[in-house]
Amino acid sequence: NAGVMQNPRHLVRRRGQEARLRCSPMKGHSHVYWYRQLPEEGLKFMVYLQKENIIDESGMPKERFSAEFPKEGPSILRIQQVVRGDSAAYFCASSLQGVTGTEAFFGQGTRLTVV
Amino acid sequence: SQQGEEDPQALSIQEGENATMNCSYKTSINNLQWYRQNSGRGLVHLILIRSNEREKHSGRLRVTLDTSKKSSSLLITASRAADTASYFCATAGKHSGGYQKVTFGTGTKLQVIP
Repeated sequence: NAGVMQNPRHLVRRRGQEARLRCSPMKGHSHVYWYRQLPEEGLKFMVYLQKENIIDESGMPKERFSAEFPKEGPSILRIQQVVRGDSAAYFCASSLQGVTGTEAFFGQGTRLTVV
Repeated sequence: SQQGEEDPQALSIQEGENATMNCSYKTSINNLQWYRQNSGRGLVHLILIRSNEREKHSGRLRVTLDTSKKSSSLLITASRAADTASYFCATAGKHSGGYQKVTFGTGTKLQVIP
């Protein structure tokens, strides 16, 4: 059972371009979380999704950021018109259940660098 | 604001000593988890303790949870250089929408000197 897979591991984008980050949850997991980690900081919650639904996007900037988790395929975090401040590590986690008592498994992250 | 706050922010100890990290949180939780992150890497799940548990062990790790004080501690005994990493606590609370939201603290950077 493969773990949470994120790709790419490293992504370099010029200012103004779009960044697409992918996350394939563990097999059987239908709950996905995205977090952002700035250098030397902790993880900040961005968005929580279930299949085809955004449950909580309270941590995601209102503009330029969007997330989806389609019925088929990976979850996608999309950042449009990237700026230098978007440079960070983006982690995806998945869990078996959304309610109580289950651990979240993390991917290795995508390190986005905006130049 | 961050749900969990780890203390201390950084800790440096000699190999063989014990390391204790604390985590405080604000709202009621269903469970609390500890993760380790090596520099530039992903997170590794260490241990999960439920709100009705007070103590849990896993190898050299011991986690306590005091829900009355809204705090948890992670003890690493007989530390090794390979334990050098950042350690995060993450709380999972039941959101009003009925789902679990996992919120991370700011982390403790542990350095174990050989």
